Amino acid sequence: EADIYQTPRYLVIGTGKKITLECSQTMGHDKMYWYQQDPGMELHLIHYSYGVNSTEKGDLSSESTVSRIRTEHFPLTLESARPSHTSQYLCASSEREGEGSANEKLFFGSGTQLSVL
Amino acid sequence: KNQVEQSPQSLIILEGKNCTLQCNYTVSPFSNLRWYKQDTGRGPVSLTIMTFSENTKSNGRYTATLDADTKQSSLHITASQLSDSASYICVVSDRGSTLGRLYFGRGTQLTVWP
Repeated sequence: EADIYQTPRYLVIGTGKKITLECSQTMGHDKMYWYQQDPGMELHLIHYSYGVNSTEKGDLSSESTVSRIRTEHFPLTLESARPSHTSQYLCASSEREGEGSANEKLFFGSGTQLSVL
Repeated sequence: KNQVEQSPQSLIILEGKNCTLQCNYTVSPFSNLRWYKQDTGRGPVSLTIMTFSENTKSNGRYTATLDADTKQSSLHITASQLSDSASYICVVSDRGSTLGRLYFGRGTQLTVWP
């Protein structure tokens, strides 16, 4: 099935700490995305990338940053974690046709559940 | 405002029974509609993708329908199994740009009891 991996699966951290959520895919997909999801709520796009050295902010304002130095790797960083950052973070990738193309599939990782105390 | 509304919010059924989940959307222009299954603590997995010209698509025991005129979709699950317990998410894509944009519903939480 999907070859997209996120680490860690769970993270509990204190306020003010710097954290990096890892996401890697082995499918060679150009497009990668970060979504934030709270319980019972819809997914919100916070960052996306169309390829190496390309990053854009999504619909939901986020204090996080991303980088895309290699095709397979799309890490998300929070410089100073706060309790309001507590959420599930989902990484996804898709093929070149684009996020909304009918013939394009979006593959999700298993997510990182972040809790900031 | 582009929106995707799902009903019911949650549903409990007995193993072996059928069920139907609903999705209404106001996204325009419309490109395609997807149904995803999300197990607790996992990422969503694609079940079906339907374009404007398709009004039904099946994936095993899952059958999705689309009425683009009324902007409604349903996901029918036949002979439910315990492993069907999950959140089912309706996602609609627009054609507002060359790349499209995804609008997510909040999901229907399905619980299948033995």
